[in-house]
Amino acid sequence: DQQVKQNSPSLSVQEGRISILNCDYTNSMFDYFLWYKKYPAEGPTFLISISSIKDKNEDGRFTVFLNKSAKHLSLHIVPSQPGDSAVYFCAAGGSQGNLIFGKGTKLSVKP
Amino acid sequence: EPEVTQTPSHQVTQMGQEVILRCVPISNHLYFYWYRQILGQKVEFLVSFYNNEISEKSEIFDDQFSVERPDGSNFTLKIRSTKLEDSAMYFCASSPPGPRGNQPQHFGDGTRLSIL
Repeated sequence: DQQVKQNSPSLSVQEGRISILNCDYTNSMFDYFLWYKKYPAEGPTFLISISSIKDKNEDGRFTVFLNKSAKHLSLHIVPSQPGDSAVYFCAAGGSQGNLIFGKGTKLSVKP
Repeated sequence: EPEVTQTPSHQVTQMGQEVILRCVPISNHLYFYWYRQILGQKVEFLVSFYNNEISEKSEIFDDQFSVERPDGSNFTLKIRSTKLEDSAMYFCASSPPGPRGNQPQHFGDGTRLSIL
């Protein structure tokens, strides 16, 4: 039961360019969506979130877009930096508070 | 910046033994969670805890699992009789009061549980 899907296991981007990470979901009852970043041997670190009533949220180099009709969200990182290299998880939450995670996308930003 | 801390970082236990994983959530947070990640798989929700009781649990969280907040600062996950398939990374998370979407969960660095 994959309610949250990240179909690209990996993404490689040149430093300074835009990174676009994608996520699809199946449950229209999700209230909010989050992106987390994870380095090896560390826990997920919160990056940015978006409520289901919005279509865009921006925080510095990070922007999340939500397309509810397509049940799709994306994370844009611009400009990408080598320190952004990590695994990025999309997560969705409902009224009970528990998060449903995607499998993650490993981003590599090359200098 | 306040952090969620988890101990130990790595726990090795014989199958059938009890194990307790410990977490200290961020001090003003009111909602507490346990998740696990089996190697190569997704991060999976186990249980959420609020106001000294379980508010939601997944199918994974069966009778072998229990959670407790014994002293107002620690939040523990106990596995009563461990099985090989309990081997995973266990993450504790906490979030402050307020609408869930506006208050993201903050995760600890996890405890790697290895069952032999």
